[in-house]
Amino acid sequence: AQKVTQAQTEISVVEKEDVTLDCVYETRDTTYYLFWYKQPPSGELVFLIRRNSFDEQNEISGRYSWNFQKSTSSFNFTITASQVVDSAVYFCALIRLQGAQKLVFGQGTRLTINP
Amino acid sequence: DTGVSQDPRHKITKRGQNVTFRCDPISEHNRLYWYRQTLGQGPEFLTYFQNEAQLEKSRLLSDRFSAERPKGSFSTLEIQRTEQGDSAMYLCASSLRGQDNSPLHFGNGTRLTVT
Repeated sequence: AQKVTQAQTEISVVEKEDVTLDCVYETRDTTYYLFWYKQPPSGELVFLIRRNSFDEQNEISGRYSWNFQKSTSSFNFTITASQVVDSAVYFCALIRLQGAQKLVFGQGTRLTINP
Repeated sequence: DTGVSQDPRHKITKRGQNVTFRCDPISEHNRLYWYRQTLGQGPEFLTYFQNEAQLEKSRLLSDRFSAERPKGSFSTLEIQRTEQGDSAMYLCASSLRGQDNSPLHFGNGTRLTVT
């Protein structure tokens, strides 16, 4: 069975602070994809990043960066110099490469950036 | 707008009534998914289609739920004899089956309230 755990239910920081959202996953599969999605108050899930289990390189996109460590089954997400517009619920998710095409989500982390 | 479209955005119904939601995926996407999201939780997989074939159904999808994708384009999700526990956000997503898993693109969802 697959499982994604986001232990931080809510995080609140002041604008311009850096913040890291944790994600730990469980799977018996050797090949899988990991994702991060953002859900603003409007409700739509916005795709942020996909990472293949073969590729452990960290990735940076503007103020966003992702740290994938297969040894600890973690895929953490860091926002640098946070902005109020970053306020949203963030979800980490996992999907198998083969077989059932079911995206398994964590419980989400509600991030509030205060001005 | 060429994203995933869901209709209606909100639905309020009385317990025992039937409701039907519609999802129009991104036009070239051959996979379509339904998820359910309750307050404070991550989305939970309900079912998915590849073209018109329904390939997997979650145990969450009771006999009162039925989904169709008759021509491999839009999809409908019907809930019969609604119960208060059905109150949730119903999310539709689509993706393109290729050599690897393309990200799921989500619609804005249909928020169902059963009174």
